[in-house]
Amino acid sequence: EADIYQTPRYLVIGTGKKITLECSQTMGHDKMYWYQQDPGMELHLIHYSYGVNSTEKGDLSSESTVSRIRTEHFPLTLESARPSHTSQYLCASSEFSSTDTQYFGPGTRLTVL
Amino acid sequence: GQQLNQSPQSMFIQEGEDVSMNCTSSSIFNTWLWYKQDPGEGPVLLIALYKAGELTSNGRLTAQFGITRKDSFLNISASIPSDVGIYFCAGRPSGGYNKLIFGAGTRLAVHP
Repeated sequence: EADIYQTPRYLVIGTGKKITLECSQTMGHDKMYWYQQDPGMELHLIHYSYGVNSTEKGDLSSESTVSRIRTEHFPLTLESARPSHTSQYLCASSEFSSTDTQYFGPGTRLTVL
Repeated sequence: GQQLNQSPQSMFIQEGEDVSMNCTSSSIFNTWLWYKQDPGEGPVLLIALYKAGELTSNGRLTAQFGITRKDSFLNISASIPSDVGIYFCAGRPSGGYNKLIFGAGTRLAVHP
């Protein structure tokens, strides 16, 4: 079992609200990732980090932002949620190695009304 | 950009049957990973492969890293109803592109 946690698991909010999705891991992994996934569809990388104070945008453009102030914590923030942000958000982490074996959290299902 | 072709897209099988799915790429990979995702959950790592030709088992699951380093397959033997879910392959290309590439998934349904 991978020790990576996401909260909340489910979130229903109104348009215009600011939200933060939490992700934390206790494995001491340097690399962390955020993916966006519509139900049953492909995973799209939206943000990643190779360590503290390092953040990069992924392959899919996203209006969300991330921060990495502590190794174990990689929160994702939406300043003003819109219905188009409705999706599942998955956090993952991996060691800093050439294999990049990623372990996923359980996900946050976000619905914006 | 880099792409993985995962097939089949979906499978409907009877309980007890064996299942086979695969991923192919036009590029060489140095890591192949297989994940299973249940509805509403995150992907769970099933098998990780790191060397060409490597054959690894995890219970009823067996996966192989292709000799050409451009493909991988996953077999499930004697399927059971709890095998239902989406199976994703993922690979890390060799030479520069330092992120995982994911396949589109194989959706497996098992009829009792």
